[in-house]
Order: sequence, then structure tokens, then C-alpha cells
Amino acid sequence: NAGVTQTPKFQVLKTGQSMTLQCAQDMNHNSMYWYRQDPGMGLRLIYYSASEGTTDKGEVPNGYNVSRLNKREFSLRLESAAPSQTSVYFCASSEPGTGNISPLHFGNGTRLTVT
Amino acid sequence: SQQGEEDPQALSIQEGENATMNCSYKTSINNLQWYRQNSGRGLVHLILIRSNEREKHSGRLRVTLDTSKKSSSLLITASRAADTASYFCARSNYQLIWGAGTKLIIKP
Repeated sequence: NAGVTQTPKFQVLKTGQSMTLQCAQDMNHNSMYWYRQDPGMGLRLIYYSASEGTTDKGEVPNGYNVSRLNKREFSLRLESAAPSQTSVYFCASSEPGTGNISPLHFGNGTRLTVT
Repeated sequence: SQQGEEDPQALSIQEGENATMNCSYKTSINNLQWYRQNSGRGLVHLILIRSNEREKHSGRLRVTLDTSKKSSSLLITASRAADTASYFCARSNYQLIWGAGTKLIIKP
């Protein structure tokens, strides 16, 4: 049972470089999420996908784009990395629930440093 | 801020003691969830308590919810070294709003 798999685990970028964070889940969940976690703060939602074919902005979408490639995969792209994007990025998935978010299953994160 | 707020920010206790963490929020919720995060890992769901429930148990974990005070607490009984982690509450009302977490250290 792999659950939610994120790649890469670590990445160092220079300012202005681009990269894509990959996420895949094998639990047949409809909903997928990208969060960032910064020291001393709670998780902040970047983008989410309620179902295959749909994506929506979260609390902090600026500087990011996403693609829901299929039901299993949800990628996060940084087109031009900035030092403010240094963070730990988590992908998560869940069953949908109208007005009642189901428990989330998380990957182990990607630690990104932008210099 | 719409975030849930946990307190204390950090808690250090002896193995075998009970640990209590609190979470407060400002607006109405459908449910409130507690998660654990071990160092360098993703978050793991512990308990979901619905707005019409007052208490829930799971093993050594007990969660209470007081909607009139807009607060919840997580009690871990008979703590173990393996309980060392950060604990987060997340309140749900169409989206999850996360608190900054409580860092729990269990001293052997």
C-alpha cells in the first residue's frame, strides 16, 4: 500500500528556475490537494482538485500552477522559483464530502530550497 | 485569522504522563480533525469529530469538542516516546483550516 507518493523528496533550485513536483495516489480518491508548510505556521492550501478534470485555487496560489493529469496524479509546477517559495510541499488526497471534508492522506513531502 | 489556534505551542512531559492539547477556532464548523506529524514525515489523520458530537475515543486518544466555546482538546493518555510529534487541528467548513500545531516531546 503506497498511499500518496511524492517526488522528489528534496530539491534545490536557483531563483528563476522551474520545476514540477509530482504526486500520485493509489487509493482511488477523487480529491487531491497541494499544501505548503512553513515553520511556525499551519498548512496553507495552494491548489486543490475536487475531481479529475477540475482544479481550483487555494489560499496561496500565486507563483504556482497545477495539472490533474488523471485520477491518480496531481502535479504542482513552479514556473519561476523565488526564495519565498522555499518550503516543504505536501500532496494529499481524500474522498470528497460536500461541506464536510473527509480525512486527508498525505505524502511525505518535498523539501524545496530556492537560493 | 481564520486559522485554528493550538495551545500550547510546545509541551514536554515524562513518559507515562497524560498530554493535553487544545484547539480554538472562530467560525462555525462541520467537523474538526486532529493529525499527527512525525519529524520529516507527512501528516497522519488521528480522529475526526463532527460538530454534533461531544467526545470521541481511539485507543489512548480522546478528543472533545465544545461548539459553544469553539474549542476542542486532544488528550493522549499514558504517553510513550513514540508519541513525540507535532499535533495539528484542522477545522472543516467546506475547506480545511489548519492551526500552527503543538510540538509534543515525551521524555523517557
